[in-house]
Amino acid sequence: DVKVTQSSRYLVKRTGEKVFLECVQDMDHENMFWYRQDPGLGLRLIYFSYDVKMKEKGDIPEGYSVSREKKERFSLILESASTNQTSMYLCASSRGGVYTEAFFGQGTRLTVV
Amino acid sequence: DQQVKQNSPSLSVQEGRISILNCDYTNSMFDYFLWYKKYPAEGPTFLISISSIKDKNEDGRFTVFLNKSAKHLSLHIVPSQPGDSAVYFCAASMNRDDKIIFGKGTRLHILP
Repeated sequence: DVKVTQSSRYLVKRTGEKVFLECVQDMDHENMFWYRQDPGLGLRLIYFSYDVKMKEKGDIPEGYSVSREKKERFSLILESASTNQTSMYLCASSRGGVYTEAFFGQGTRLTVV
Repeated sequence: DQQVKQNSPSLSVQEGRISILNCDYTNSMFDYFLWYKKYPAEGPTFLISISSIKDKNEDGRFTVFLNKSAKHLSLHIVPSQPGDSAVYFCAASMNRDDKIIFGKGTRLHILP
């Protein structure tokens, strides 16, 4: 079974802090994703990585950056956390290629106060 | 502009009846469509998918139908069970680009 593990289930951070959300997958997947889920807005793609050190912006990259130094690990960085970044953050990975599904981690509920 | 649309925020269905969840898309380049189920405080789990070369895919109680000309797909759950109460997300991707784009979700309530 594919396992995608996010480092924290719940986080509380202060406005202005630099926040790191870590995600690790164990299936040698090429692609990794960061989404956020907000009520009424569904899942919105923040960043996507299709290989080590390669990344693409998603629909809402503002205020975020990412790092993928190793294939299995994909980090989401909030450079200066703000209250409007309070959300559920979901990491996913997929094999890539034709017709492949993504597998999700359990999510990190981030609260910025 | 939303590329994947789920226009019903919620749906209530009697246990044992059929649940039908709908999804529309705007980008004709999408060629792979997925449905995910999500419980509160958990990550989404993959349910079923369909490629654009098919118009139907079935897996147990779950069937997905694709109407390419209408840019519409639907998920049928028969019979509906209490454990099916969850949020269902429709998603789409295109072969040349592995990004997966999600809709806003539909909350399904199965009534006893």
